Parts: sequence; C-alpha cells; structure tokens
Amino acid sequence: DSGVTQTPKHLITATGQRVTLRCSPRSGDLSVYWYQQSLDQGLQFLIQYYNGEERAKGNILERFSAQQFPDLHSELNLSSLELGDSALYFCASGEGGAFFGQGTRLTVV
Amino acid sequence: TQLLEQSPQFLSIQEGENLTVYCNSSSVFSSLQWYRQEPGEGPVLLVTVVTGGEVKKLKRLTFQFGDARKDSSLHITAAQPGDTGLYLCAGARTSGTYKYIFGTGTRLKVLA
Repeated sequence: DSGVTQTPKHLITATGQRVTLRCSPRSGDLSVYWYQQSLDQGLQFLIQYYNGEERAKGNILERFSAQQFPDLHSELNLSSLELGDSALYFCASGEGGAFFGQGTRLTVV
Repeated sequence: TQLLEQSPQFLSIQEGENLTVYCNSSSVFSSLQWYRQEPGEGPVLLVTVVTGGEVKKLKRLTFQFGDARKDSSLHITAAQPGDTGLYLCAGARTSGTYKYIFGTGTRLKVLA
C-alpha cells in the first residue's frame, strides 16, 4: 500500500459528460501528480500541484483541469469526454511523484 | 514524441537467466526513476538515480545512470517468476514542456 488513495476505482460514463477524480496523497506529502495511462500512449504526465499551487504542467488537454485543496487532496476534472479519454488515471505523491495510487479506470462509452 | 525509449519492448526468459533493459534519450535528466507495474495496479518505485555514472543495487537488480544523464539500464541477475511485470523508466527534466517523462515500457515475463 503506497498510502495514496484514489476514488473511484472504476468509472463508466458517456461521451460529452464531465467527471471528477479524487486523490488523497500520503500523509505529509505536499505534492500531487496526475498521470494518464492508455494502451497507445503509455504513461503520460498531466500536471503537478505543490501545496495548493500548480507546479508543472505536462501534456494536459484544455478540457481537463485539476486543483489541490487546503487539506492537500486533489481533484482532476475531465469534461466534454471523448472515447479516447478512456484510460487509467493515476495520482502520485512524494518526491518526484514516487508513490502511486491504484488508479481510476475511466471508460467513456 | 516519445522522449524516453526503452528496449526491448517485450522479453520472455526462463527462470535463472540474466537480462538487461535499456532506457535511452537524447535529453538530459536531473534524475531518473525505475518502476515496476503489475496489471491493474499503479507503478511501484524501485529506485531513483540522480548522479551521472551512479550505480545502485537492489538485491538482484542493478541500476545504472549514464555519465551524461541521458540513459539508464536495469540489469536483473537470475530472474525469478516474481520479477514478471512492466518495467518503466521515468525521467525528470529541468527544462522543456514535459517535466516528467515515462519510457515506453518493457514487459518482462519470467517462466518457471
């Protein structure tokens, strides 16, 4: 157990909809990283937050946004969903994002 | 554009054999990490290397960071079925658009 908690584990939704993925980092970790893993693109870094502030941005679509709250949990919002957004979404915390949660499997139908 | 290439992509070997996985880039990284991922689970960190030329050992696993900090290798001695999984390298860049980059992955299967 990495200590990083992600909810929900599975999510099935229709195209055009909006979903929110939630992540609680390990106790004491100020950084949260979000990643997307799909079969064709591999693991892609999306965005990093540190103590509530955006620290680094990767290959994140404009339809996606994230935030980190004062209690350090983070949410990743995905809107206007497309079939191609179906993937595993991981959250990580710790130095360099070393500790990954178990992921949320998003299926867009 | 994939900035971190891993080779081989797939590897199926017998228990007891040795193997090496390579992670190559034309970019310089401030640090590089190796992970192992099991199906349906998140990647688990194996090691972080930060200094060019650094060698780290974790039981039967030996990790090396290239002198120029552009490449890395993972060597497994006497592989066991428990080593089966997806091995990922990941680099942290200090400049450029994509700060944390994952490699293409090496899927290892060790047969008993």
